[in-house]
Amino acid sequence: DGGITQSPKYLFRKEGQNVTLSCEQNLNHDAMYWYRQDPGQGLRLIYYSQIVNDFQKGDIAEGYSVSREKKESFPLTVTSAQKNPTAFYLCASNHNEKLFFGSGTQLSVL
Amino acid sequence: AQRVTQPEKLLSVFKGAPVELKCNYSYSGSPELFWYVQYSRQRLQLLLRHISRESIKGFTADLNKGETSFHLKKPFAQEEDSAMYYCALSDEGSISNFGNEKLTFGTGTRLTIIP
Repeated sequence: DGGITQSPKYLFRKEGQNVTLSCEQNLNHDAMYWYRQDPGQGLRLIYYSQIVNDFQKGDIAEGYSVSREKKESFPLTVTSAQKNPTAFYLCASNHNEKLFFGSGTQLSVL
Repeated sequence: AQRVTQPEKLLSVFKGAPVELKCNYSYSGSPELFWYVQYSRQRLQLLLRHISRESIKGFTADLNKGETSFHLKKPFAQEEDSAMYYCALSDEGSISNFGNEKLTFGTGTRLTIIP
């Protein structure tokens, strides 16, 4: 099953803890994105990367960090500085103006 | 900065009736607009884009620059159209040679088709 793979499906974070969400793609796409989905707020862009070793902040980057060491991988770290991390996180890649989405990770705070 | 507004959070329509999901945008450049759909237990996926001028699953959307709108329409609703619909706008300013634009999404409209 090719495409965008996100793991884990569910993740729990303790107070003060950093957690990392995985996003892998085998589509050979250059651009990758992280969105946060909250009820009633739609999708908001956290970070995006247009090419390996390069990434830019989106609209709500505070409290998050990313890396893009490989074309296939774009992990998102939710740091302890993110005070409201409970949300559904979606990773996507872009090819010819079409976004391909992963199945998402639900992050909750214990 | 660009903005996408979907004024209806919820929309219920009877099967066979016409459907219109509203989308308005604000953007200073030349916009590229999209509709994405998420069916139950499926991934978010592209439904259609305005530059293609295509009809997908009976849906069409016309870009109206005068009214800054990109409403999604279907003449006769079907039960399988029930889903969450997102309107999105592409940031022309971040276009690279690879076409890796940044998309801004609206808050979404949950469409329910009543049998």
